[in-house]
Amino acid sequence: ILNVEQSPQSLHVQEGDSTNFTCSFPSSNFYALHWYRWETAKSPEALFVMTLNGDEKKKGRISATLNTKEGYSYLYIKGSQPEDSATYLCALSSGNTPLVFGKGTRLSVIA
Amino acid sequence: NAGVTQTPKFQVLKTGQSMTLQCAQDMNHNSMYWYRQDPGMGLRLIYYSASEGTTDKGEVPNGYNVSRLNKREFSLRLESAAPSQTSVYFCASSEKMGAGGGYTFGSGTRLTVV
Repeated sequence: ILNVEQSPQSLHVQEGDSTNFTCSFPSSNFYALHWYRWETAKSPEALFVMTLNGDEKKKGRISATLNTKEGYSYLYIKGSQPEDSATYLCALSSGNTPLVFGKGTRLSVIA
Repeated sequence: NAGVTQTPKFQVLKTGQSMTLQCAQDMNHNSMYWYRQDPGMGLRLIYYSASEGTTDKGEVPNGYNVSRLNKREFSLRLESAAPSQTSVYFCASSEKMGAGGGYTFGSGTRLTVV
């Protein structure tokens, strides 16, 4: 079973702060890296899918980068807002197999 | 467009009882999945169906069975519920497994086994 690690486990930031967190994965057999946003009492929603080394994706104040050679992806949130409070999941695809999810980083943005 | 619909949303079972969690998607997706979510454990795959007519075990299949009834529906059955199966269960679907497209998740079923 592939091991997808996310750090930190949880994070508290002040409104307006920028923040980032990490997803680490085995670089062998890489196919795609997914990021999901999961609000409490809701279901996970897809943010980004990245497949190429050096990929960068952006949606509003949230962006992500991918390094497949060293096996990590960063998720950045610029100017955090209370509505950004959620658990951010990354998931690894190794080809024709189901996604393997990390345990998530729980972000709390304090107004 | 409903996406992925799970029923029921909440359920309380007594140890030893059986039940089936229903999942249906209306996006013409080929692949469907059942995950459970427990505190500190993230999402763990129970069973999946790469395409209609196929099912495979995931990371934590013991105590569960599944049926891919047709392309739209993928059910999860607990034959004899145990307290260790208390969890939140999520069904998900994707166009095809391993594709670049993401998963669409249902809203979850919160199951308590007493």
